[in-house]
Order: sequence, then structure tokens, then C-alpha cells
Amino acid sequence: DQQVKQNSPSLSVQEGRISILNCDYTNSMFDYFLWYKKYPAEGPTFLISISSIKDKNEDGRFTVFLNKSAKHLSLHIVPSQPGDSAVYFCAAKTLAEGAQKLVFGQGTRLTINP
Amino acid sequence: GAVVSQHPSWVICKSGTSVKIECRSLDFQATTMFWYRQFPKQSLMLMATSNEGSKATYEQGVEKDKFLINHASLTLSTLTVTSAHPEDSSFYICSVGNSNEQFFGPGTRLTVL
Repeated sequence: DQQVKQNSPSLSVQEGRISILNCDYTNSMFDYFLWYKKYPAEGPTFLISISSIKDKNEDGRFTVFLNKSAKHLSLHIVPSQPGDSAVYFCAAKTLAEGAQKLVFGQGTRLTINP
Repeated sequence: GAVVSQHPSWVICKSGTSVKIECRSLDFQATTMFWYRQFPKQSLMLMATSNEGSKATYEQGVEKDKFLINHASLTLSTLTVTSAHPEDSSFYICSVGNSNEQFFGPGTRLTVL
């Protein structure tokens, strides 16, 4: 049972344009969401997070939007840069179950074309 | 954020042998560490939660006798894959965290021949 889903395995975007990565979840108990970036043969690095009490969180070029009613979140990167090419994972957790157990999506490979 | 290292970064072993993977938290005292596994083109799947000074908590479907976890100090957790088989070939990643973030190690690529 895949509780966190990233339905697009890959995405290609031109440099300078906006990249939008999507994530859906099924568990209504999730109340904290994170995005991670991963390069090959490396561990994921934290990008940005959002609590379920918010619908938007922005950090520089990265903005995460949360639509609780649709159980959907998205990561916007603008402007996209070649260094953004990586695999992006969304993750979710339930704070009441303990602070740290994360459930990951399958990942979306983002390629930024010059 | 916390700096997490893993050793080795990659290992190739024969089927039936055991392999130990170390996870070190270099600047963060971790009472809890997490072990994940990632098969190609799949998500990171939590295998177990490693608790300092006590037994690890394993996720459903993960054999505790096959994947031995030892968390003997606040900075070191080890995962031993016992009697490894080719289907255990995967990318193993550990993490440490606080209430809002987890910091991941660079991962260990295990290939079982």
C-alpha cells in the first residue's frame, strides 16, 4: 500500500522555467511533509517542509504548496537551474506517532535542460 | 544539519556471507537512527528504527534475524546483513533526526554475487 505517491517518474524542464513536482498521499493522519533531493549514490538532502496547518511555505527558489482536502502537495522550483537536476522525493509523517518515521514517495527524476 | 557518514560506501560480497554497515553521526547525539533500503527506481523504504541501548524496532516484513542492528552508542549504529543473498542487493541508507528533519548518510551500495 503506497501511502505517498509521486505519479510522475520523470520531468524535463528548460533552464529558467518553473519546475513543478507533485505528490499525493492517502493517509489523512499525515501532518508534516518534506521534500528531499537526491543525487545518484548519495543520501537524500532536505530541501523544504510544510506543516499541515499551513498551505504554503517558501524558501528562496523553492515553494511547497499543500492542499489538505485533495491530499496533494507540490514543490515549485523557480527559476530552474541545471544544478537542480536530481531525483526529488516527497515524504510524510505523523507527528503523533513519533517525530521521525518518514514515508517516502517513489521519487521524480527532474532534468533541467540548458 | 547533522553530518552522517556511512562505511563502507560500497561492498561486493559472495552469497551466504555477512556484511556489516556502519552509520556514524559525527556532530549529533542520536538516540535514534533509522535504516532505509532503496531498490532501483523505487522509494526509500524504512527497514528499522535503531534505538541506543535497546532493541531495534523493525518494520513489517523485515526479518530481524537477517538484518541485525546494534546501536551501542549515541554516534554509531551498525546494520549487519547476515547470510546475504542476491535479492539483498540494494542501497542502504541510515539517517538521524530531530522533530522536524532527518539527515541522511551517503548510503552503502551492497551487491551480493
